[in-house]
Amino acid sequence: DTEVTQTPKHLVMGMTNKKSLKCEQHMGHRAMYWYKQKAKKPPELMFVYSYEKLSINESVPSRFSPECPNSSLLNLHLHALQPEDSALYLCASSQAPAEPYEQYFGPGTRLTVT
Amino acid sequence: GDSVTQMEGPVTLSEEAFLTINCTYTATGYPSLFWYVQYPGEGLQLLLKATKADDKGSNKGFEATYRKETTSFHLEKGSVQVSDSAVYFCALTYGGATNKLIFGTGTLLAVQP
Repeated sequence: DTEVTQTPKHLVMGMTNKKSLKCEQHMGHRAMYWYKQKAKKPPELMFVYSYEKLSINESVPSRFSPECPNSSLLNLHLHALQPEDSALYLCASSQAPAEPYEQYFGPGTRLTVT
Repeated sequence: GDSVTQMEGPVTLSEEAFLTINCTYTATGYPSLFWYVQYPGEGLQLLLKATKADDKGSNKGFEATYRKETTSFHLEKGSVQVSDSAVYFCALTYGGATNKLIFGTGTLLAVQP
């Protein structure tokens, strides 16, 4: 099973709302990732968790707050977003970093900020 | 720094045509190379990979060979189908502490019946 699941599939939120995106994998992977993808662009890395610890924050604004409650789950908490944050948010997982392991992506959450 | 360059799209082909999507890379070391495919409205799917020079990755009729001498990883398929219409991303990573993927800009393939 190489499936990464993400919920919700679509999300519309106002600039004053607080919402969360959820990602789950059951492949025993110990590295999980959040990416942001704008239309007609490649994904941009936001955060990397390795063994449930944050190992990379690619200078992401504090209105995005990641959380890794356990080795299978990854959340992205959203607060006071801007319209330019509207994008497809992708979660991925891989075996723990060190070797160049392939990453498996979820279907994404399409976020619209109004 | 390291980078990946892909041919500009869109690439428009008729069904059963031969496909080549060019990918070249600039790397200071010896990365692993990947092709990912993104169908409309979906996430990225790993299509194939190669971890060292002269490796050939293959999957679903697609192939790519890791060419160190030309720093290339071109994607090929002998006979495309309408269902292959998607955006194709070439990417590299060294692994390490973050396993960060460096993506090319993506190439849109449109296959017409």
